[in-house]
Amino acid sequence: DAGVTQSPTHLIKTRGQHVTLRCSPISGHKSVSWYQQVLGQGPQFIFQYYEKEERGRGNFPDRFSARQFPNYSSELNVNALLLGDSALYLCASSLARSRNNEQFFGPGTRLTVL
Amino acid sequence: KQEVTQIPAALSVPEGENLVLNCSFTDSAIYNLQWFRQDPGKGLTSLLLIQSSQREQTSGRLNASLDKSSGRSTLYIAASQPGDSATYLCAVNSVQGAQKLVFGQGTRLTINP
Repeated sequence: DAGVTQSPTHLIKTRGQHVTLRCSPISGHKSVSWYQQVLGQGPQFIFQYYEKEERGRGNFPDRFSARQFPNYSSELNVNALLLGDSALYLCASSLARSRNNEQFFGPGTRLTVL
Repeated sequence: KQEVTQIPAALSVPEGENLVLNCSFTDSAIYNLQWFRQDPGKGLTSLLLIQSSQREQTSGRLNASLDKSSGRSTLYIAASQPGDSATYLCAVNSVQGAQKLVFGQGTRLTINP
């Protein structure tokens, strides 16, 4: 079975631009979460979606937004990019909304903002 | 606010040694704790998941323990191999707040042949 997939693998943007990152969860998983990992640090929570609704939001500005589609895939959008948005963006999926479920991560999208 | 700390930040040991990585968290109200492995520039690979009601989990040469009341977890790696070289991250799923994992900063492990 395929794991969590993310696209693109790498992305280079300039300040002020907009970016869309995509994630497909493991088949049967309905919950998708997004994390930002800056070099040398642990991942930081951005959003969690379950059944197409936002269920949690981390301490990120409104420039960050996301959505989940009927097939449970998800997009993360970042507007007005800043140099500090350069990071590895990770998507995680889990089976259901239960807080006990294990989360499985994708390979990430490396975003570089110049 | 849940905070997770991992000590040491980096560890270098010769091949074959047994080793322990430490993780501590400030709020003991958690659903579970996960240990992950991350290779440079890659995503996270889940190693072990310990539910709050459990004391330990084992997978091959890995054993993770959880002492929820004291806010501590350890990851024990037996008979280390060069292929174990990676960054190891622990993350807790707190009862309070949104459903999310709160991560430590990781321990960068190097196993020398």
